[in-house]
Amino acid sequence: EDQVTQSPEALRLQEGESSSLNCSYTVSGLRGLFWYRQDPGKGPEFLFTLYSAGEEKEKERLKATLTKKESFLHITAPKPEDSATYLCAVHPGTDQGAQKLVFGQGTRLTINP
Amino acid sequence: NAGVMQNPRHLVRRRGQEARLRCSPMKGHSHVYWYRQLPEEGLKFMVYLQKENIIDESGMPKERFSAEFPKEGPSILRIQQVVRGDSAAYFCASSPRGRGYEQYFGPGTRLTVT
Repeated sequence: EDQVTQSPEALRLQEGESSSLNCSYTVSGLRGLFWYRQDPGKGPEFLFTLYSAGEEKEKERLKATLTKKESFLHITAPKPEDSATYLCAVHPGTDQGAQKLVFGQGTRLTINP
Repeated sequence: NAGVMQNPRHLVRRRGQEARLRCSPMKGHSHVYWYRQLPEEGLKFMVYLQKENIIDESGMPKERFSAEFPKEGPSILRIQQVVRGDSAAYFCASSPRGRGYEQYFGPGTRLTVT
């Protein structure tokens, strides 16, 4: 069964304190791995797509990397406005017709000023 | 460009009533997906639709839940005879044709069953 596990469940950092969020996955074929940001009471906001091991993407203070078994979301010198829940999802490649994303439970990130 | 639109944003229903949730995809998108987010749980896939076709409903509960995406108008997720366990946030996403992995989400409908 396709599965996505994110760690830690929650993370508190001081403003400027860099860290990484982890997303490990087991899928029978990977067509893509996605990172989303979700603010309270809102829908997930697309951040990155990664397709193959070794790939990296960057956006402002965020950098996503991918290996064959996991992905990391690195946050450098975070600010309070980076506080949100970060969701990882995979697009399994087992069925050409299936387009569902399998999500992890998210990491709730809080940046204290 | 308008994003994915969902309404209502909040819906309160008594046990046994019907709930209808609407989703209008992004302009130019022809594929719609529904996900459910239960309290303290991750997003779970429910159903994938194209215009007038249900492509994958493997995540839909077998009873009381149905979805449609008519030729004209929004996609509808219908829950009949709601129960307390249906209380959740329901999110719709859309993607362009041929790029089902690029899913953009709406703001969600928060259903509360009393």
